[in-house]
Amino acid sequence: DTGVSQNPRHKITKRGQNVTFRCDPISEHNRLYWYRQTLGQGPEFLTYFQNEAQLEKSRLLSDRFSAERPKGSFSTLEIQRTEQGDSAMYLCASSPGGEAFFGQGTRLTVV
Amino acid sequence: GEDVEQSLFLSVREGDSSVINCTYTDSSSTYLYWYKQEPGAGLQLLTYIFSNMDMKQDQRLTVLLNKKDKHLSLRIADTQTGDSAIYFCAEEGSARQLTFGSGTQLTVLP
Repeated sequence: DTGVSQNPRHKITKRGQNVTFRCDPISEHNRLYWYRQTLGQGPEFLTYFQNEAQLEKSRLLSDRFSAERPKGSFSTLEIQRTEQGDSAMYLCASSPGGEAFFGQGTRLTVV
Repeated sequence: GEDVEQSLFLSVREGDSSVINCTYTDSSSTYLYWYKQEPGAGLQLLTYIFSNMDMKQDQRLTVLLNKKDKHLSLRIADTQTGDSAIYFCAEEGSARQLTFGSGTQLTVLP
């Protein structure tokens, strides 16, 4: 499968714990995006990488959130001290510079 | 600011055409997109249109763009039960990030 891969698909965590999600983009796509989608809403942009450089961050990305793309290939999104309001689907997308292709997402539930 | 709006629900009979409408606000958007999302799944890119085009056709899908009114529509011909899903329109921002509408739930009735 050469699509965008996200792991894990589902994560249940207790409030206050840290979680980390991984995204493997389509090979040679230099742009990588993270979005968050809550029930009944469209995805909301969180952050964007071009190669290893994080070029754009949304106001939605609080200090508890950090994203990395160390070698310009896969990316991780970490949420520290999770809150119930962080429960959502976290979507990763990659692009060669035109249209974006999305992964299946990681569904986070904070209990 | 950027804001994309869509009607929330649409029901059609199998075999009829579906038209999903969208309005956007960022006149500088270069591309506008339509994505499909089935339950529990990620987003599937259906089609997109460049902002200097009025229409794009791709098999059963027709996209119409009225740039003056900032109105985008997606027509699905001969709608099938497999087309039941949530459809999102999205406009592209300066960093190529997408701003999505809230989605239109399309229900296809037999």
